[in-house]
Amino acid sequence: DQQVKQNSPSLSVQEGRISILNCDYTNSMFDYFLWYKKYPAEGPTFLISISSIKDKNEDGRFTVFLNKSAKHLSLHIVPSQPGDSAVYFCAASAINTGTASKLTFGTGTRLQVTL
Amino acid sequence: DTEVTQTPKHLVMGMTNKKSLKCEQHMGHRAMYWYKQKAKKPPELMFVYSYEKLSINESVPSRFSPECPNSSLLNLHLHALQPEDSALYLCASSQDPSPGRAKDEQFFGPGTRLTVL
Repeated sequence: DQQVKQNSPSLSVQEGRISILNCDYTNSMFDYFLWYKKYPAEGPTFLISISSIKDKNEDGRFTVFLNKSAKHLSLHIVPSQPGDSAVYFCAASAINTGTASKLTFGTGTRLQVTL
Repeated sequence: DTEVTQTPKHLVMGMTNKKSLKCEQHMGHRAMYWYKQKAKKPPELMFVYSYEKLSINESVPSRFSPECPNSSLLNLHLHALQPEDSALYLCASSQDPSPGRAKDEQFFGPGTRLTVL
């Protein structure tokens, strides 16, 4: 049962344009969402997060939007750069019950930014 | 120091071997994690340590044995593994797992690529 889904396995975007990566979730207990970027043979690198009390969070070229009613979040990268080419994972965690956060990852989207 | 380090980078072992993976962080984080990632799949949580105590075990087989000797170190002891256990093993840490605290992002190490022959 995949609770966090990224339905696009790959995305190709031209340099300078906007990249939009999408993520859907099914568990209504999720209240915190994160995006990670992963290069081959490296661990995931944290990009940006959003709490369920917000609908938007921005950090430089990266903006995450959360639509709770649709159980959908998206990551916008603008302008896209060749160095952004990587696999992007969204992840979610449920309400903290006293133990450390348990992240559930999506299946990933491979972004390729072309010149 | 904002890094999570993992050793070794690569490990090849036979099914009868005993080996250990090591993870270290010096960011003062009090939660540490082991994940397993197979090719073209997302990372899957194995274990969580919170304040040096095991708080989550995701029904991992006993041939994987975690250990947290202190707040900076996390080990994963491996014994009698199967070829299907070959994967990238990722360690992560986060700041403070206390209840009510705003969620903290997890910082990942580069992983250990394990091959079981």
